[in-house]
Amino acid sequence: GNSVTQMEGPVTLSEEAFLTINCTYTATGYPSLFWYVQYPGEGLQLLLKATKADDKGSNKGFEATYRKETTSFHLEKGSVQVSDSAVYFCALHYGNNRLAFGKGNQVVVIP
Amino acid sequence: NAGVTQTPKFQVLKTGQSMTLQCAQDMNHNSMYWYRQDPGMGLRLIYYSASEGTTDKGEVPNGYNVSRLNKREFSLRLESAAPSQTSVYFCASSPIHNTDSYEQYFGPGTRLTVT
Repeated sequence: GNSVTQMEGPVTLSEEAFLTINCTYTATGYPSLFWYVQYPGEGLQLLLKATKADDKGSNKGFEATYRKETTSFHLEKGSVQVSDSAVYFCALHYGNNRLAFGKGNQVVVIP
Repeated sequence: NAGVTQTPKFQVLKTGQSMTLQCAQDMNHNSMYWYRQDPGMGLRLIYYSASEGTTDKGEVPNGYNVSRLNKREFSLRLESAAPSQTSVYFCASSPIHNTDSYEQYFGPGTRLTVT
């Protein structure tokens, strides 16, 4: 089936540190891939997307590259800020305009 | 544009009570969705409506019903609430199908507690 796996557990890091959140997927074909962000008390917002292999999505200093060889779409940011504290969800598109979401990763950035 | 709006923001129900969660979007999107979010579970799709006039079950439809009232509105009904339905509910919408716009736009959520 179509599914997304994110690394387990919250991520706690200091301001200006490098952030990586791993995401791997299982799907038929080459689906569009997404990262969504959820700030406390809010709904999800699209952070970035990639629609085909080797595409790089980027926004607000975050990047992710669509790697079909490793079926991965890892999220990275070179220097995090306290304002980046949020929950991050990886997702893929599948049949009939639906998205499959990973379980999310809580990111806490300490000043 | 208000985007996707949901009412109410918070609700407390007793076991066995019924209620309807309302959702509306003003972006002329064809597809609409209802999810629930539980700790450690991510988002799970309850029901969706690929286009006006159609609805389909998602991963966790038991205990829920939906109505796609028109293109703008998609409601979720709990006929007899149970404590297992305590969750945060999100509505989302998505533009007409094309090669690039599968992204979904989310409402602010409804936090429901069933006692």
